[in-house]
Amino acid sequence: DAGVIQSPRHEVTEMGQEVTLRCKPISGHNSLFWYRQTMMRGLELLIYFNNNVPIDDSGMPEDRFSAKMPNASFSTLKIQPSEPRDSAVYFCASSLARKGYEQYFGPGTRLTVT
Amino acid sequence: GQSLEQPSEVTAVEGAIVQINCTYQTSGFYGLSWYQQHDGGAPTFLSYNALDGLEETGRFSSFLSRSDSYGYLLLQELQMKDSASYFCAVREGQAGTALIFGKGTTLSVSS
Repeated sequence: DAGVIQSPRHEVTEMGQEVTLRCKPISGHNSLFWYRQTMMRGLELLIYFNNNVPIDDSGMPEDRFSAKMPNASFSTLKIQPSEPRDSAVYFCASSLARKGYEQYFGPGTRLTVT
Repeated sequence: GQSLEQPSEVTAVEGAIVQINCTYQTSGFYGLSWYQQHDGGAPTFLSYNALDGLEETGRFSSFLSRSDSYGYLLLQELQMKDSASYFCAVREGQAGTALIFGKGTTLSVSS
């Protein structure tokens, strides 16, 4: 399997622009997680889905953030409008729901908002 | 509230043994996972303990004591490539729940 795929790997944008991050989970995995990592706050869970349904989005920092999972093989995380404090590495991870303790992370998207 | 405590940094020399501790306080507990993350990379799964005791996987072992809300990751025969950050993470619920990650411990291995 190719593992979890994320795109883009790097994104540099200006404040106020819309940013869309994409994730393709491992085939057969039915849980998908979006994380944000910074030096200050560590690894934060933003939202997760089971069987394409959002279960907990309490980690989404503001209404500027939204996530969708239209099907089992694709998810997006959108930031609109972006702000400099959104600069971070965003990871997508997937797992079997019954083995949520063993998550497989994508390579991450390094987002820089200027 | 929920909290996971682990040391922020640990240093050791090649060939040594190091133990990274993790204490947790969460509303629920089903098990403790450990992840490794190299600088610039993504976290990768190392081990999971649901029951008390020691789980061994090669040079790495993980221990859990549910009564003490405590676990540790033991790394033996340290190599330079083990220099990385190590995260403990608590599984609060059964299938379909998320993990709560600690802040991570940065391990530096020197020659």
